[in-house]
Amino acid sequence: SAVISQKPSRDICQRGTSLTIQCQVDSQVTMMFWYRQQPGQSLTLIATANQGSEATYESGFVIDKFPISRPNLTFSTLTVSNMSPEDSSIYLCSVLDRAGANVLTFGAGSRLTVL
Amino acid sequence: RKEVEQDPGPFNVPEGATVAFNCTYSNSASQSFFWYRQDCRKEPKLLMSVYSSGNEDGRFTAQLNRASQYISLLIRDSKLSDSATYLCVVIPSFSGGYNKLIFGAGTRLAVHP
Repeated sequence: SAVISQKPSRDICQRGTSLTIQCQVDSQVTMMFWYRQQPGQSLTLIATANQGSEATYESGFVIDKFPISRPNLTFSTLTVSNMSPEDSSIYLCSVLDRAGANVLTFGAGSRLTVL
Repeated sequence: RKEVEQDPGPFNVPEGATVAFNCTYSNSASQSFFWYRQDCRKEPKLLMSVYSSGNEDGRFTAQLNRASQYISLLIRDSKLSDSATYLCVVIPSFSGGYNKLIFGAGTRLAVHP
């Protein structure tokens, strides 16, 4: 399985500020995925990040709020912009464990608290 | 109705007990099913895939019931280390390339001595 390093592991931020989360994979992958897990709720896909093209956002998520970069096949960032307390959540990046298997490997997650 | 629904629990069971969780899905055309395990403050990890014929991995057995649109996970001889949240995952349809995974909110299991 791919090994994913995600940082920061946690942060406490003030309302109105922005935070960028980094995700580094130890192998080249075509797609990287960003999920959000709010307390007591299921993982929700925010967007799919493809190298060399704009990210594909799921319903309810927009690029202005969650801009994503994907400069190469091993790295991606997710920015949570103009944060409010409702953005307090765990943000996880993930990749396909192996091609065609539809199994995801996740990073350890970034626990964000917005005051 | 949610696409994937699970009883949130918690299920509190003694060591050695047998415990079963169900998960229902709304899309009858769903193709693939999985159980993931998430320990407290950790990321989810694949526990097992769920095949049409059912599958077993040691103390864990997964079953699929397409007619009633649910999957189940049975854990025999529960261990303290089984305490975690178990996430049901469904792929509603295949659309070429990557197929979106839909996660349930999870069922929490607490195994006590």
